[in-house]
Amino acid sequence: DTGVSQDPRHKITKRGQNVTFRCDPISEHNRLYWYRQTLGQGPEFLTYFQNEAQLEKSRLLSDRFSAERPKGSFSTLEIQRTEQGDSAMYLCASSPKLGGQGDLRSSYEQYFGPGTRLTVT
Amino acid sequence: LAKTTQPISMDSYEGQEVNITCSHNNIATNDYITWYQQFPSQGPRFIIQGYKTKVTNEVASLFIPADRKSSTLSLPRVSLSDTAVYYCLALLRGNTGKLIFGQGTTLQVKP
Repeated sequence: DTGVSQDPRHKITKRGQNVTFRCDPISEHNRLYWYRQTLGQGPEFLTYFQNEAQLEKSRLLSDRFSAERPKGSFSTLEIQRTEQGDSAMYLCASSPKLGGQGDLRSSYEQYFGPGTRLTVT
Repeated sequence: LAKTTQPISMDSYEGQEVNITCSHNNIATNDYITWYQQFPSQGPRFIIQGYKTKVTNEVASLFIPADRKSSTLSLPRVSLSDTAVYYCLALLRGNTGKLIFGQGTTLQVKP
């Protein structure tokens, strides 16, 4: 399977604990995104990497959240001192480097992983 | 970023054609209309993208009138497996950043 993979698929943790999620993008994709999705809502953008550089962070990403992408390959999202409001599906997506002028599709197509469902009790 | 508005939910029956309309009154000249589909417990999946007139692929058709203030995603002869949430997004040409999802349209296909 050459799609985006995420680990773990499910995580149950107690309030106050730290959790870390991993995302492995499609190998030739240089852009990687993290989103959060709660029940009944569309995904909300959290942060975005191009290679190893973190280019944008949402204000939703409080100081308890940190994301890394060492060496521009896999990425990790860590949540420290989890709160019940952090319960959500955390989605990772990747997309390739933009091609020439005719390469419109890669502007808009992000490939999503299956997500990690976090439950904070 | 252009705001998109679409119905919260729609029902259909197997074999019918389904049309989901999205409003984007303040769409910018360089915005492209993009649709994603999301099945339960999965990440969203790109369906189709267009600028104006009609675009068709193996999954759907997208109709965008000349004023581009709305667009319609057309799913021909839906089956139960088309039950999903469909999101309409307006994205700047050459977008390299985040996708802004609304609430989407939950399509329920009944037998």
